[in-house]
Amino acid sequence: SQQGEEDPQALSIQEGENATMNCSYKTSINNLQWYRQNSGRGLVHLILIRSNEREKHSGRLRVTLDTSKKSSSLLITASRAADTASYFCATPREDNFNKFYFGSGTKLNVKP
Amino acid sequence: KAGVTQTPRYLIKTRGQQVTLSCSPISGHRSVSWYQQTPGQGLQFLFEYFSETQRNKGNFPGRFSGRQFSNSRSEMNVSTLELGDSALYLCASSYGTEGLEQYFGPGTRLTVT
Repeated sequence: SQQGEEDPQALSIQEGENATMNCSYKTSINNLQWYRQNSGRGLVHLILIRSNEREKHSGRLRVTLDTSKKSSSLLITASRAADTASYFCATPREDNFNKFYFGSGTKLNVKP
Repeated sequence: KAGVTQTPRYLIKTRGQQVTLSCSPISGHRSVSWYQQTPGQGLQFLFEYFSETQRNKGNFPGRFSGRQFSNSRSEMNVSTLELGDSALYLCASSYGTEGLEQYFGPGTRLTVT
């Protein structure tokens, strides 16, 4: 079964609003990564947070990681229509970091 | 650097046939992973190759196989196609160490009729 689960499954917001999506995972991890996928295309790596980090920023993205709760959140601030995509969290296993598990994804729709 | 390329981009096959998909990783990357993406099952890990050796394998039947060449290019093969094999097949390349970020190709959309 898949390692991570995103919540919510779908999110619809207005341009300029913030979008928050969450990811839960099951086992110990080395790091957690977030990816974006535009409709029917390949995934694009957004940000990586290591297991010893609690928060990381990259432009309009803010990621938090709580290893005690086995969860992470991705915040996109001041969203744009171009942010419309599906967002996935990915976790390489701590005991086998070349094997990735992806969550089910959050489909974000940003309305202009 | 050129990105990950996958060929073909679209493919239509009939049940029972076999198919070969190709992936060229980013120059310098030695690891290539393959994923199957379907609406029902999401993104599922198929296998990972590193330096021409299969290093990891997901839970897929033996009809799914792959290989990697000395230039790191990889192919995956699906034999005896079933309707349920219709999916977007994604390959991703990385340096293959420390579980760092993967770089994905645009995918091959396979339709089995």
